[in-house]
Amino acid sequence: DTGVSQDPRHKITKRGQNVTFRCDPISEHNRLYWYRQTLGQGPEFLTYFQNEAQLEKSRLLSDRFSAERPKGSFSTLEIQRTEQGDSAMYLCASSTRTGTRDEQFFGPGTRLTVL
Amino acid sequence: KNEVEQSPQNLTAQEGEFITINCSYSVGISALHWLQQHPGGGIVSLFMLSSGKKKHGRLIATINIQEKHSSLHITASHPRDSAVYICAAHLSNYGGSQGNLIFGKGTKLSVKP
Repeated sequence: DTGVSQDPRHKITKRGQNVTFRCDPISEHNRLYWYRQTLGQGPEFLTYFQNEAQLEKSRLLSDRFSAERPKGSFSTLEIQRTEQGDSAMYLCASSTRTGTRDEQFFGPGTRLTVL
Repeated sequence: KNEVEQSPQNLTAQEGEFITINCSYSVGISALHWLQQHPGGGIVSLFMLSSGKKKHGRLIATINIQEKHSSLHITASHPRDSAVYICAAHLSNYGGSQGNLIFGKGTKLSVKP
């Protein structure tokens, strides 16, 4: 399968612990996005990479959140000192610009539960 | 007011019914996406359109750029169509810290046999 993959699919942690999620994009895609989705809401943007460069971060993203894409391929999203409000689905998407078209393809998501 | 509004929020239909989900947006877009999300959480892209109409199987998406409105239609609905349908506006200008894709809250569709 050559789609976007995410690991783990589910994570349960206790408040105050650190968690790290991984996203493997479609191999030829140079753009990678992280989103967060809470129950009953649409996804909201967290951050965006073009190759290894992190070009944008949401103003909503606290400094407990950090993302990397060291070699321009897979990416990790780390949340430090988790809080119950961090419980959400974390979605990764990737894309490549073809002419004027820039369609994002989504992974299955990582569902985080903070107890 | 959200920049992307969907209606209805919830929709229950009987198998075989024709279904319409609406999306209105207030931002300048280069394209509009229709996405499907099943209970497991993964999102599948159904359509990306910037004008007119697209059809794939029993799904039809239309967009009216002047009215800033798009619709997703499902003909001969089936229980397996039960999912959350999300429209997302791809901004025509650089989105900066809000990203370049603005999502609606989704429409939860339940098709009963």
